[in-house]
Order: sequence, then structure tokens, then C-alpha cells
Amino acid sequence: DAMVIQNPRYQVTQFGKPVTLSCSQTLNHNVMYWYQQKSSQAPKLLFHYYDKDFNNEADTPDNFQSRRPNTSFCFLDIRSPGLGDAAMYLCATSRRGHHETQYFGPGTRLLVL
Amino acid sequence: AQSVTQLDSQVPVFEEAPVELRCNYSSSVSVYLFWYVQYPNQGLQLLLKYLSGSTLVKGINGFEAEFNKSQTSFHLRKPSVHISDTAEYFCAVSGKTSYDKVIFGPGTSLSVIP
Repeated sequence: DAMVIQNPRYQVTQFGKPVTLSCSQTLNHNVMYWYQQKSSQAPKLLFHYYDKDFNNEADTPDNFQSRRPNTSFCFLDIRSPGLGDAAMYLCATSRRGHHETQYFGPGTRLLVL
Repeated sequence: AQSVTQLDSQVPVFEEAPVELRCNYSSSVSVYLFWYVQYPNQGLQLLLKYLSGSTLVKGINGFEAEFNKSQTSFHLRKPSVHISDTAEYFCAVSGKTSYDKVIFGPGTSLSVIP
């Protein structure tokens, strides 16, 4: 089945130690999104790619970066995680021009010690 | 810009009883509306969406929602809930252009009591 895959499902890192979360998709969608969801809160869009074009949300901290080496893969890099970055990170995809139909991965829960 | 309000943060309901989860939105332009469900430690799954046309939208798992433009509401309903419906439910809104993003509400936690 076509799907969105996130690895790992759980990630533990230390305060200030860089961490990378990965997302892959078999849907061949042009658009990939990264959301941050803190406990008991709504998902918040961090950034998205239209193909290789990167679109950062204005309030996304500089500590968060992203890479998309090809259509299938997208990475979220947190350069110096703080305690406040502990959250569920959700990857989603859509076809270009169809942001209304997004397919979500299962998420990666990040714990910062 | 759009915003979403979900008036109830938690809704307990007995098994086989009906449920309504309330959602109101604010927007200066025409919108798309969505309901997503999130089970514990999982991603979001689309329940249903309103794009245009009939204001009554039917989704998966027996859920439906009605778009009311005059009241700027998009309430979610199910006539008889099951234990397996226990989850977090998010209402969401977006504009209709490809540059618009989806804005999620704060969520409603539905607990089905046996």
C-alpha cells in the first residue's frame, strides 16, 4: 500500500545534541509537510516543500532545518534541541495543488533529556 | 487568515449514545473544512472534508458533518458511538488556493464509556 513512513517512531536525544527525523513516502506526491504537535495541542506547520522549493513558516525557529534530497524522502533536523522541542513530529504529503487532501505518517515522538 | 475554535476540550459519552463535536471557524474568504481523528501515538487520519456542494458531508466510520455558512460552523456527529471511537478529534480549515495551509483547531478528546 502507498503510504507515508516515519522513522524512528520514538527518538530520545540529549539537550543540545543534534537530531534528525526522517520521512519517506511511496505516494509520489510533490508536496511534503512537517508539523510539530506538542502535548494536547493542535499540529502546527513548521515548513513544507513544493518539489524542491522550501517554504518556511514565519514563526518556525532557526533551530529547525529541513532537507529533501529527492521526491521520496524528507528530513527534519533540529540543530540544538531544547526541552521545549519535545513533541510529536508529523510528516504529511499531498499532490501539488491539492493541499486539502494530506496524508499523514504515524509521527515521531521526540523526547529531550 | 483563518482560525478554528473547538468549544469542548473533552467530551465523555456512553457507548451507543449519539455525539456531537462542535467546531466554529473564522475566515474572510471561502474555505475548505475538515475533521481529522488521531488515535493515541498515531498520525492524523482524515474523517471527512467539505470542499463545496452539499452541506451535509458523510465520512468514514459512520461520522458526518454539516457545513453552516451563516453560523460559520462545521459540527461533527455520529448517531451511535463505539469504544473504538475514543480518540482526539481535530477540526481544520484552509483557504482554497494552493498556497493556503491547513489550520487545525485545538482538538476535542472523545472518551466513550462502556
